Amino acid sequence: KQEVTQIPAALSVPEGENLVLNCSFTDSAIYNLQWFRQDPGKGLTSLLLIQSSQREQTSGRLNASLDKSSGRSTLYIAASQPGDSATYLCAVREDSNYQLIWGAGTKLIIKP
Amino acid sequence: DAGVIQSPRHEVTEMGQEVTLRCKPISGHNSLFWYRQTMMRGLELLIYFNNNVPIDDSGMPEDRFSAKMPNASFSTLKIQPSEPRDSAVYFCASSSGLAGLVYNEQFFGPGTRLTVL
Repeated sequence: KQEVTQIPAALSVPEGENLVLNCSFTDSAIYNLQWFRQDPGKGLTSLLLIQSSQREQTSGRLNASLDKSSGRSTLYIAASQPGDSATYLCAVREDSNYQLIWGAGTKLIIKP
Repeated sequence: DAGVIQSPRHEVTEMGQEVTLRCKPISGHNSLFWYRQTMMRGLELLIYFNNNVPIDDSGMPEDRFSAKMPNASFSTLKIQPSEPRDSAVYFCASSSGLAGLVYNEQFFGPGTRLTVL
């Protein structure tokens, strides 16, 4: 059974730092992996989606990588800003399955 | 595009009352998902529709929960009767493409925060 883990559960860093959020999954037979952002009391915003055949995706200051063989994905945030403070969730979609398997999220706080 | 639209954004009701949550998916999307999010359990998939047909409702917690999708632009999630343990944020999400076969990024609505007293 696929399990998705995000460590750490919470992270606090000073503004301006580059940082990496981690996501690991137990079964490498995935279709794609999606990173989301959730602000307190708000919905989920899709940040990046990486297909299983891709190694990375970039959007602005965000870069997501995928290493299927090791069951890992990272979300790199460059030059962090207070507005980046949110909970970041990763979700894996398995082959031929519509379901997303969710990590518990990493709560990120960027201190001004 | 307005994105996925959900209503109401907040609902406070008393135990035993019927609650109806509404969702309008992104135009052109043919897959729709209802999720529930709580602190204890995180995000749980309740039901999935493809082309207006319920494909998997195994996540629906009890018979008190029901969902319909009468057309491609509207879905409802109903709880009758509601109980305090149903208090959660309910999200609707939509995506395009056939399940498991093509690129399938899910886009989420803002959610409905339900409180059952």
